[in-house]
Amino acid sequence: EIVLTQSPTTMAASPGEKVTLTCRASSSVSYMHWYQQKSGASPKLWIYDTSNRASGVPNRFSGSGSGTSYSLTISSMETEDAATYYCQQWSSNPLTFGSGTKLEIK
Amino acid sequence: QVQLKESGPGLVQPSQTLSLTCTVSGFSLTSYHVHWVRQPPGKGLEWMGVMWSDGDTSYNSALKSRLSISRDTSKSQVFLKMSSLQTEDTATYYCARVSTEGIGDYFDYWGQGVMVTVSS
Repeated sequence: EIVLTQSPTTMAASPGEKVTLTCRASSSVSYMHWYQQKSGASPKLWIYDTSNRASGVPNRFSGSGSGTSYSLTISSMETEDAATYYCQQWSSNPLTFGSGTKLEIK
Repeated sequence: QVQLKESGPGLVQPSQTLSLTCTVSGFSLTSYHVHWVRQPPGKGLEWMGVMWSDGDTSYNSALKSRLSISRDTSKSQVFLKMSSLQTEDTATYYCARVSTEGIGDYFDYWGQGVMVTVSS
């Protein structure tokens, strides 16, 4: 099973600050996908195939990476970006999720 | 538009069997794979299993002995049954659809989730 380790577990960022969330895989994966989840809501697709923004996702969000190291970057933090972000892979069975990064507004 | 909606009991007694239904609209179960994912309160997401578009199934090995996924294409429904429930099975249960766009396998639509509490 591929274990996805997200870091940091929790962080706070000020409006306008650049934010980078990291997802490291225990073995190489072909693509990484990211979801945003706000309290009490279902996860939403945010970034797919490593670097593609889902429909409606602001262009301040970007994804990158390869092999065992992937990241989601917010170029300029906004209040509405406060949420928990999960990475997900299915290059190898079983499908796995990271444990999430909770991003708060400072 | 695409929708998935989970339904089922909010409370199940320990050792009993959980039965959930995912009713979909806006797409065909014979064209899309539908997964079940759960999330214990305050914790992360756990993949449970998948109903493939061809009717086959795959399960998380950690749950395989207790889990069964089936479907009724005429009713656009996917079913989850999990036996021998324990308190650690308390979670919100989601069904989610895998996108056919893109290259990798990812979930483009999720249901609202159904909270299941295992308690006597």
